[in-house]
Amino acid sequence: AQTVTQSQPEMSVQEAETVTLSCTYDTSENNYYLFWYKQPPSRQMILVIRQEAYKQQNATENRFSVNFQKAAKSFSLKISDSQLGDTAMYFCAFPAGGTSYGKLTFGQGTILTVHP
Amino acid sequence: SAVISQKPSRDICQRGTSLTIQCQVDSQVTMMFWYRQQPGQSLTLIATANQGSEATYESGFVIDKFPISRPNLTFSTLTVSNMSPEDSSIYLCSVHQMNTEAFFGQGTRLTVV
Repeated sequence: AQTVTQSQPEMSVQEAETVTLSCTYDTSENNYYLFWYKQPPSRQMILVIRQEAYKQQNATENRFSVNFQKAAKSFSLKISDSQLGDTAMYFCAFPAGGTSYGKLTFGQGTILTVHP
Repeated sequence: SAVISQKPSRDICQRGTSLTIQCQVDSQVTMMFWYRQQPGQSLTLIATANQGSEATYESGFVIDKFPISRPNLTFSTLTVSNMSPEDSSIYLCSVHQMNTEAFFGQGTRLTVV
């Protein structure tokens, strides 16, 4: 069975600084997708970034980037130039079978607070 | 992309009653998923709903408690039956499409008193 572990229940960062959220996973798949989702107080789940395991290059979306270490099964999220609007709960997620459209297994979540 | 309309956004219900949550998608999708998010916790999959067949439930969730309908490729409902305070959670529907990420409804915040 797939497992996803986020070991940081809460993190805080000052506005404009950089923060890294950790995620490890376990799978027997070789090709798969990984996702980071953000859930602000509005409850809406928003995709932050996704990584395809067969791509060696780390995914980047504006201020968000990942450090994907396939051998170590690690998938951390780096947020640069943090903004107050980044305050949310962040979930790492892995789809069943590794595909892009399978049911998702979520990590426990990390509550990120950005302070002015 | 997919736009999902989920209703109601929140409700307060008496114990022993039932609530039906609706999820409408703006495009046809094969699979729809229902998740539960207990207070302060992560999302847990309740079931997968496929059109034209019975839903597939995850361990710990049963059809009598969480009946699901999927009458067509754009709509699904989840009913939370015979509610107790332990059912107080956020319920989210989700759709996944080939080679894209999952899209979620806005969630239903349920409080059982």
